[in-house]
Amino acid sequence: QVQLVQSGAEVKKPGASVKVSCKASGYTFTSYDINWVRQATGQGLEWMGRMNPNSGNTDYAQKFQGRVTMTRNTSIRTAYMELSSLRSDDTAVYYCARLDIGDCSSTRCLNWFDPWGQGTLVTVSS
Amino acid sequence: DIQMTQSPSPLSASVRDRVTIICRASQNISRYLNWYQQKPGKAPNVLIYAASTLQSGVPSRFSGSGSGTDFTLTISSLQPEDFATYYCQQSYITPFTFGPGTQVGIK
Repeated sequence: QVQLVQSGAEVKKPGASVKVSCKASGYTFTSYDINWVRQATGQGLEWMGRMNPNSGNTDYAQKFQGRVTMTRNTSIRTAYMELSSLRSDDTAVYYCARLDIGDCSSTRCLNWFDPWGQGTLVTVSS
Repeated sequence: DIQMTQSPSPLSASVRDRVTIICRASQNISRYLNWYQQKPGKAPNVLIYAASTLQSGVPSRFSGSGSGTDFTLTISSLQPEDFATYYCQQSYITPFTFGPGTQVGIK
């Protein structure tokens, strides 16, 4: 079945970086964008950006520009999200999600997040 | 960025109630609207995509409607396993944005 499995929980100090992995199985890894979404405790969902695993092209939310880097290793079907200059308010669960695709018009395609990884808790604390 | 709002929040209901959640976009997003269910400690799961298409495996008591800026998610007969938080999300343009969520709790 289509599945995304993420790396384990991380504890980091302010100013450090964290790199979370997301291993895909059950589908052609290079055919679907991988997105990253985070959720602080008790809060809503926040989209961070997306990466095309085929080309490596990325599209980051402006809020994270300059601090986030999304990469991939196609040989092991794994996507990565690295966030630098960590602050306490970066403490959150980070999810990867495949961007599934439906009908396309001339300008855009219907798409939705499915499936999601299980989430990785990143705690930033001194 | 497109802003998404949801109402009501929170929502209290009983088993077998008909529940409707409203989602509004700050601009026309046609039918580029998805609904997710999230239970505590779990990742979200898609229920409805393209405003009204039921994801495979999702019970038929869930339905979605709307186009443009106004959308609804309806649960025709609330079941015990449906107590959760529901999010709408626009996929019209990046940055993809989510509504703040509607927590459906037990009355």
